[in-house]
Amino acid sequence: ETGVTQTPRHLVMGMTNKKSLKCEQHLGHNAMYWYKQSAKKPLELMFVYSLEERVENNSVPSRFSPECPNSSHLFLHLHTLQPEDSALYLCASSQDHIGSGQFFGPGTRLTVL
Amino acid sequence: KQEVTQIPAALSVPEGENLVLNCSFTDSAIYNLQWFRQDPGKGLTSLLLIQSSQREQTSGRLNASLDKSSGRSTLYIAASQPGDSATYLCAVANAGNNRKLIWGLGTSLAVNP
Repeated sequence: ETGVTQTPRHLVMGMTNKKSLKCEQHLGHNAMYWYKQSAKKPLELMFVYSLEERVENNSVPSRFSPECPNSSHLFLHLHTLQPEDSALYLCASSQDHIGSGQFFGPGTRLTVL
Repeated sequence: KQEVTQIPAALSVPEGENLVLNCSFTDSAIYNLQWFRQDPGKGLTSLLLIQSSQREQTSGRLNASLDKSSGRSTLYIAASQPGDSATYLCAVANAGNNRKLIWGLGTSLAVNP
């Protein structure tokens, strides 16, 4: 595998379910990001991790819980989501979190029923 | 507060045309600017990154320019092809300690055979 991978690619869940999104980067980068992309809105930065430490949490509801066990893996744990949380969730990585170019995964298309 | 605007929102051109996509930003104190491409339902592909000290970057048929003083960047696509059809996104990293990306809404490009 090369670049940034995300699984699953598509996810449908009910509001009471618990699920997790996974991201893995094979670029040797030190920073990883979660973004939310909704129709007609700019990309929203959710979380930033640098060397496994969270450096940014953009007022994201607690029903989204990130986890970064090492610099290559990033998870987004989901529980009791709302229909408005349906979106494309994108993971990205970069060499550092202070402005180096970001490389994106293919995204997980999430639908909350 | 940095704001990024992309004009036009959508563009349809015949194959072979040279075209220009525009990105404007309100605060000229930027660290860098990136152009990305996104195919429908997919993740983002980084096209070009211009540091604040640079005026332009080129990759194949793509050329991106940066004019910080006027708060503008353009993405020039030469000899457009149907495979260029996608949404093109512009993102600005502010100077200073917080260099998170500020995103435009994108230009949706259709190149017709």
